[in-house]
Amino acid sequence: RKEVEQDPGPFNVPEGATVAFNCTYSNSASQSFFWYRQDCRKEPKLLMSVYSSGNEDGRFTAQLNRASQYISLLIRDSKLSDSATYLCVVAGGGADGLTFGKGTHLIIQP
Amino acid sequence: DVKVTQSSRYLVKRTGEKVFLECVQDMDHENMFWYRQDPGLGLRLIYFSYDVKMKEKGDIPEGYSVSREKKERFSLILESASTNQTSMYLCALQRGDTDTQYFGPGTRLTVL
Repeated sequence: RKEVEQDPGPFNVPEGATVAFNCTYSNSASQSFFWYRQDCRKEPKLLMSVYSSGNEDGRFTAQLNRASQYISLLIRDSKLSDSATYLCVVAGGGADGLTFGKGTHLIIQP
Repeated sequence: DVKVTQSSRYLVKRTGEKVFLECVQDMDHENMFWYRQDPGLGLRLIYFSYDVKMKEKGDIPEGYSVSREKKERFSLILESASTNQTSMYLCALQRGDTDTQYFGPGTRLTVL
C-alpha cells in the first residue's frame, strides 16, 4: 500500500523564523512530488512541485531525497499568512493519481 | 487560470436521500477525481475518470457512484445518504500528460 507520512504538528513558529518539515513516502516507484497548501475550510492549492535538483520559489525551498525517500519544505522569514496546513503529495507508480499525506499544521505567531 | 466549480459549498441532507454533487471544469482536462476529506484521515479517493463514460473505483467507493456523460462534468452520487458520509467533498482535475491536480472549492455535506 502506498503511504505518505507527515508530522501532523502543529508547529508553532514566531513570525520571521525559518521552519522546515519533511515527509516520507513508501513507494520507490514514485515519479512526481508536490507540496500543496490548504487553508482552513478551503481546498488544497498547489504550492510547488519538487524536483530532483531541488527548487526554490521566493521564501520557499523544496528538496527531494530519492535514496531516503523523503521530501522537505523550508520556509524562510515566515509570515503570518503562511499559517496553513501543508500537504505532501506523491504521484506515480500506480494508475490512480496522487497519494496525499495527512498534512502538517503550521501556525505562525506574531 | 484553472477553473473548477462545484455545485454547492454547503449542503444539508437527510439520511436515505439521494444526493448529487456536481463538478464542472472549463479546462478540457481529461482526468477528474472525487475525494472526501475528514479530520485525521486526510484526503481519500472515492472515484476517478480518465474519459467520458469511463470510471474507476478509488480507495473508498462503497456507498457512492459517479457519472461522466460529458468531458467537462463529473458527478458524484450518494444513492442513499448516511450520517457517516458527512464530510468535505473535493473534486479535482488533471491534464492527461501531467500529475498536477487542481481542486474545486469543495462541498461540505452534512447528513442528518
